[in-house]
Amino acid sequence: AQSVTQLDSQVPVFEEAPVELRCNYSSSVSVYLFWYVQYPNQGLQLLLKYLSGSTLVKGINGFEAEFNKSQTSFHLRKPSVHISDTAEYFCAVSYANQAGTALIFGKGTTLSVSS
Amino acid sequence: GAVVSQHPSRVICKSGTSVKIECRSLDFQATTMFWYRQFPKQSLMLMATSNEGSKATYEQGVEKDKFLINHASLTLSTLTVTSAHPEDSSFYICSARAGGTGELFFGEGSRLTVL
Repeated sequence: AQSVTQLDSQVPVFEEAPVELRCNYSSSVSVYLFWYVQYPNQGLQLLLKYLSGSTLVKGINGFEAEFNKSQTSFHLRKPSVHISDTAEYFCAVSYANQAGTALIFGKGTTLSVSS
Repeated sequence: GAVVSQHPSRVICKSGTSVKIECRSLDFQATTMFWYRQFPKQSLMLMATSNEGSKATYEQGVEKDKFLINHASLTLSTLTVTSAHPEDSSFYICSARAGGTGELFFGEGSRLTVL
């Protein structure tokens, strides 16, 4: 079975500082990996995804993530954060090449950006 | 990207009543939709997988008689919370898969409050 571990439940940073939100997964088969952002009382918005190909994935709002198969990680990074990046971030995994499977989510990381 | 719409976004009901939440894929056909439940400041927990024209598949611990799921068409799935109790108060989020890439699109969520 798959599982996702987000290593930090809360990450406080100052505006314009770099940030990394960590995500590790476990699976015995190939997976797809995703990062979603959730603002208060809203649904989820896809930041980026890794399906195949280049291990460095660029997403919206200046975020990027790197798939590391040997370390089973998919950490999310942004070189300079803004106040508006304050939100809940979820890492998720699904089985590759199986369209009918759901996403399994990590517990989430709260990113708090202050001035 | 593809759009998934949920209705209502907020609902308040009395204990013992039933509430229906709709999930629609607006610009694509979704043979599979997923229902998640999210408690405050927690991750999304998969409740069930809804397949068009067949019975939903429920996750362990989810009462299928309490959370009725119907997926009558390729663009609509409904979740009915029957005989609602205050502990059913939660944020319910649906998602639908567009194509076979593994990406899920999420609705904006429905916040249920049972008094």
